[in-house]
Amino acid sequence: EVQLLESGGGLVQPGGSLRLSCATSGFIFSTYAMSWVRQAPGKGLEWVSTISDSGGRTYYADSVKGRFTMSRDNSKNTLNVQMNSLRAEDTAVYYCARTSWSGFYNYFDKWGQGTLVTVSS
Amino acid sequence: SSELTQDPAVSVALGQTVRITCQGDSFRRYHVSWYQQKPGQAPVLVIYGKTNRPLGIPDRFSGSSSGDIASLTITGAQAEDEADYYCHSRDSSGDHVVFGGGTKLTVL
Repeated sequence: EVQLLESGGGLVQPGGSLRLSCATSGFIFSTYAMSWVRQAPGKGLEWVSTISDSGGRTYYADSVKGRFTMSRDNSKNTLNVQMNSLRAEDTAVYYCARTSWSGFYNYFDKWGQGTLVTVSS
Repeated sequence: SSELTQDPAVSVALGQTVRITCQGDSFRRYHVSWYQQKPGQAPVLVIYGKTNRPLGIPDRFSGSSSGDIASLTITGAQAEDEADYYCHSRDSSGDHVVFGGGTKLTVL
């Protein structure tokens, strides 16, 4: 069974940093791209970033580019995102999602349960 | 980056058919996928590659696309289908991902 388990969320002050992780199991992690998708309270889904299967390519939403850095450890089946210079508008539930990113296709076929990040003083 | 436009809310009588639409310029190049999200839960993929259904998704869910309009159709809506539905694709550049604003489906 595919499992994705996010951790690292919490309360942080504006301008602060936080590192989220996503531990995975039940599939060959190194053969899938992975993504972070967030959802602000009462709002819709917002894509944050995607990393290729090897980790060699990363893609970021304009809203987080230069502040967030996504990485992965294929030896530990783990996905990470380092979030710096956090703003109130980064407050959201952050989901990690297994990603198909090939040719005309792009979809998130498995999701974790999410971890809440609250940016507030 | 391009945007995906969805109606905010749609309702359907129990057992009837409902179509949820999504408009996006990127559909002419990239396939659309659809997600169902119930309150307090993570999203679930219900349609990918315009028309494909993942294992475990009931066959009352179907997808279609023509030009810049993609549709998710639920044939014979059930009470458990009441949820938010989001469309998703890459934007025209191919390097960014976009979601529609979501459609809240009410089953009457």
